[in-house]
Amino acid sequence: EPEVTQTPSHQVTQMGQEVILRCVPISNHLYFYWYRQILGQKVEFLVSFYNNEISEKSEIFDDQFSVERPDGSNFTLKIRSTKLEDSAMYFCASTLGTGGAGANVLTFGAGSRLTVL
Amino acid sequence: SQQGEEDPQALSIQEGENATMNCSYKTSINNLQWYRQNSGRGLVHLILIRSNEREKHSGRLRVTLDTSKKSSSLLITASRAADTASYFCATDKGRRLTFGEGTQLTVNP
Repeated sequence: EPEVTQTPSHQVTQMGQEVILRCVPISNHLYFYWYRQILGQKVEFLVSFYNNEISEKSEIFDDQFSVERPDGSNFTLKIRSTKLEDSAMYFCASTLGTGGAGANVLTFGAGSRLTVL
Repeated sequence: SQQGEEDPQALSIQEGENATMNCSYKTSINNLQWYRQNSGRGLVHLILIRSNEREKHSGRLRVTLDTSKKSSSLLITASRAADTASYFCATDKGRRLTFGEGTQLTVNP
């Protein structure tokens, strides 16, 4: 079964450093997402991406965050200058994006755990 | 205001028993979904119910939706130890999903 893959599975970084989290969405999916989950808290929407541009972003997704689809397969989340509160599990997800209600059924990756020291 | 609040926060049952989790939300929705998350893993879609549906079944899962009360329930029948996980409801408006706090279900063998 097709899956969303994420790398790295765990990254430890120092505060102020740049981090890039990588994702390979399902190949025929059109919409891509980043969500995050701080330990013990709910999963929160960060950003959605369609047709090579951001389609929606949350208030969490400030100027320190950026997303990119540098080639036909990878989808990346960059945090320019990490803060302690950026420590969380970051999930990439994708959807086909068409076909009625099922268009919003997300396929999630296993997540990248970011620890900021 | 919080969208998608589950209760109970934690539920512990014996294998073979039924597990019921509830979700409430505050704004109008297009669809409501339930996802499962094993510890430290990604979320897996379980079932979607449209705003014009009242009940839906999938295997051992039964989901209800009451849009007048802005609530949904997920029933897992004949639970198994492998059902141990966190369960989240998620409402969608447009492309963004808003997740609830989740219910941690423990099924004891």
